[in-house]
Amino acid sequence: EAGVVQSPRYKIIEKKQPVAFWCNPISGHNTLYWYRQNLGQGPELLIRYENEEAVDDSQLPKDRFSAERLKGVDSTLKIQPAELGDSAVYLCASTSTSGAGPNTGELFFGEGSRLTVL
Amino acid sequence: GEDVEQSLFLSVREGDSSVINCTYTDSSSTYLYWYKQEPGAGLQLLTYIFSNMDMKQDQRLTVLLNKKDKHLSLRIADTQTGDSAIYFCAVTRFTGKLIFGQGTTLQVKP
Repeated sequence: EAGVVQSPRYKIIEKKQPVAFWCNPISGHNTLYWYRQNLGQGPELLIRYENEEAVDDSQLPKDRFSAERLKGVDSTLKIQPAELGDSAVYLCASTSTSGAGPNTGELFFGEGSRLTVL
Repeated sequence: GEDVEQSLFLSVREGDSSVINCTYTDSSSTYLYWYKQEPGAGLQLLTYIFSNMDMKQDQRLTVLLNKKDKHLSLRIADTQTGDSAIYFCAVTRFTGKLIFGQGTTLQVKP
């Protein structure tokens, strides 16, 4: 079974430029997350989708960040314009919350997209 | 708000036991997790425990939960060099939103 796929793995841009990250979750997973992980820190939630609906975007800096999950499968996270402080690893994760039986809440993470803003 | 704290660094000798500690503030946390992150990789779930349990053992891993003190620990028996990584504690009140600690770097010396 394929895991969560993210691209690009690495991106270096100058400040004020736009950047976009793409995520393909595990097949059948209805819930998708974008996390940001700063150097030496744990991941922090940016946005959570249930199918195509953003159910928690309280931590997303909406002045420059946007996300979408068309058709409830793949998702993109965009930053425009990027700032120096946006340098981080952007992690996508998915899980299934719609299946039968107890849900342990395990998140499956992609390898992340490392952004460097110069 | 919810907060999860971990010590930043732990160094052990190969073959010794490692104990990584975590404290959290939300007493309503229902699921508590330990994730492992190797360099350049995403996070991988190691184990989890429900809030109605005190202990869970899974091969070399033992998780202890003290709900009164809001303290979670991960013990790795017979630590190997391949266990060197960053370990994250995470908690959730309901399945959906995980709050992560800042991670503990485990260094295993041969």
